[in-house]
Amino acid sequence: GAGVSQSPSNKVTEKGKDVELRCDPISGHTALYWYRQRLGQGLEFLIYFQGNSAPDKSGLPSDRFSAERTGESVSTLTIQRTQQEDSAVYLCASSLNGFSYNEQFFGPGTRLTVL
Amino acid sequence: KNEVEQSPQNLTAQEGEFITINCSYSVGISALHWLQQHPGGGIVSLFMLSSGKKKHGRLIATINIQEKHSSLHITASHPRDSAVYICAVLGGATNKLIFGTGTLLAVQP
Repeated sequence: GAGVSQSPSNKVTEKGKDVELRCDPISGHTALYWYRQRLGQGLEFLIYFQGNSAPDKSGLPSDRFSAERTGESVSTLTIQRTQQEDSAVYLCASSLNGFSYNEQFFGPGTRLTVL
Repeated sequence: KNEVEQSPQNLTAQEGEFITINCSYSVGISALHWLQQHPGGGIVSLFMLSSGKKKHGRLIATINIQEKHSSLHITASHPRDSAVYICAVLGGATNKLIFGTGTLLAVQP
């Protein structure tokens, strides 16, 4: 069956431009997560969706970062006025629901490079 | 101090060796994940456990909730096991994963 997909797989942008990253979760998964992995660093949590609501946005690093989810399906992570420190691999994961006993399935990630 | 600590950070083994990667955490958790990340590749969940022991093929994961410690074992290691292995915990009251910094494993033929 189809797993979590993300697009684009790679994105190169210039400092100051806005970017949108897309995540398509596994069909029927109500919980969706965004994570970030900067070069040489560990993964860090950004935001969690349950349905179309985001009960936990605590990981978003600044107000330049926002995310939305529609139809309890696709999610978009938007970074405005990108900075070089935003360069990272952005990973999306989904799980059946938000209960902790449900496994999270990861997408392949979007590698963002800000020049 | 990180909430999730892994050791070792780097590990080189010869094919066939038994490998252990350790994870200690300092927060209350509801579950712990072991993840595998190949170079340039995505992340695959190997195990999710909240107690005891799980086995899948040559991989075994154990957790001791009282000691706040988990181990990932690989028996009869193979070069294709070369990857970064990441321990991640789910905080008891939240749904977000807190990640360790990973263990880079290289298995040489």
